[in-house]
Amino acid sequence: GENVEQHPSTLSVQEGDSAVIKCTYSDSASNYFPWYKQELGKGPQLIIDIRSNVGEKKDQRIAVTLNKTAKHFSLHITETQPEDSAVYFCAASIFGNQFYFGTGTSLTVIP
Amino acid sequence: DGGITQSPKYLFRKEGQNVTLSCEQNLNHDAMYWYRQDPGQGLRLIYYSQIVNDFQKGDIAEGYSVSREKKESFPLTVTSAQKNPTAFYLCASKRVGVNTGELFFGEGSRLTVL
Repeated sequence: GENVEQHPSTLSVQEGDSAVIKCTYSDSASNYFPWYKQELGKGPQLIIDIRSNVGEKKDQRIAVTLNKTAKHFSLHITETQPEDSAVYFCAASIFGNQFYFGTGTSLTVIP
Repeated sequence: DGGITQSPKYLFRKEGQNVTLSCEQNLNHDAMYWYRQDPGQGLRLIYYSQIVNDFQKGDIAEGYSVSREKKESFPLTVTSAQKNPTAFYLCASKRVGVNTGELFFGEGSRLTVL
């Protein structure tokens, strides 16, 4: 089955700096890659996603890049703010059916 | 508002007792999922259902049971056979079909076994 690895497990950045979280996947059939943000005591919420026919997608301060050949994808957050502090999960899926999640990255933005 | 409601938010159980976690959605989604979340680990799939009266085991189904009698409801029972049940449990739902994407999550239920 699919195996998704996520790094780093923890990340601290100064407010205003950029944060990058990286994931790799093993199944070349995976074609949908969402990123979820989970605040303390809450359920994860989708923040951005990308499909395998696209190399990059951007939504304001958040962007995701996908390298299908290398089987890795990354989340980029620019101009970080304290409210960006949360746990971020990547996932891989085939056509939006069963999802395989990374182990999460705890991001702390220091004011 | 449309969404997924999980209850209870916190639950304490003695060893040897079965407990049932509730999950209700009013998004008219066909597919529903149960995940378990432990510190430092990703979300692991317990059970999922893509249609009423049908469900499949996920990666860690042992010690758990589910039912799907109504489209809106997908309760999870944590049985006494589950060796390490203390965890945060998340219910999710989505539309069924190709490229239907987003999983919607509830706010979770935290189970502690005393």
